Amino acid sequence: NAGVMQNPRHLVRRRGQEARLRCSPMKGHSHVYWYRQLPEEGLKFMVYLQKENIIDESGMPKERFSAEFPKEGPSILRIQQVVRGDSAAYFCASSELQGADTEAFFGQGTRLTVV
Amino acid sequence: AQSVTQPDIHITVSEGASLELRCNYSYGATPYLFWYVQSPGQGLQLLLKYFSGDTLVQGIKGFEAEFKRSQSSFNLRKPSVHWSDAAEYFCAVGAYNQGGKLIFGQGTELSVKP
Repeated sequence: NAGVMQNPRHLVRRRGQEARLRCSPMKGHSHVYWYRQLPEEGLKFMVYLQKENIIDESGMPKERFSAEFPKEGPSILRIQQVVRGDSAAYFCASSELQGADTEAFFGQGTRLTVV
Repeated sequence: AQSVTQPDIHITVSEGASLELRCNYSYGATPYLFWYVQSPGQGLQLLLKYFSGDTLVQGIKGFEAEFKRSQSSFNLRKPSVHWSDAAEYFCAVGAYNQGGKLIFGQGTELSVKP
């Protein structure tokens, strides 16, 4: 059973371009969470999705950021018109159930660099 | 406000010495508590978790943590540190109805001296 798969591992974008980050949850997991880790900081929650639904997007910046988890395929975090401040590591986690007593498994992250 | 504080940004210990990493939390609901480890360039690996029951929990790699409700703390300990334990350690808190939505501390970087 493969773990949470994120790709690409590293992504370089010029200011103003779009960044697409992909996350394939563990098999059987229907809950996906995205986190952002800025340099020298801990992880900050961005969004929680189930298949075809956004459950909690309280941590998402109000502009340029969007996320989806379609019925088929990976979850996508999209950042439009990237700026230098978007440079960070973006982690995806997945869980089988909703309750916090179920472990969330993390991917290895996508490290976005905006030049 | 809900928060997790790891007071020590960087700790250095000698190999074989004991280790304690501090974690304090502020959380309105009954907390679910976690410790994760992150090696450079890698994702997060769960070391241990506390949901209920015995307040001393055992984890992987010889780590343990003790939940102290009166002190709002969940400190991580290891009796004898190995060089391979050098990494960044994150404490996190969640709630039952929040699923995998966790609040993380800022992390403690552990260095191990030979």
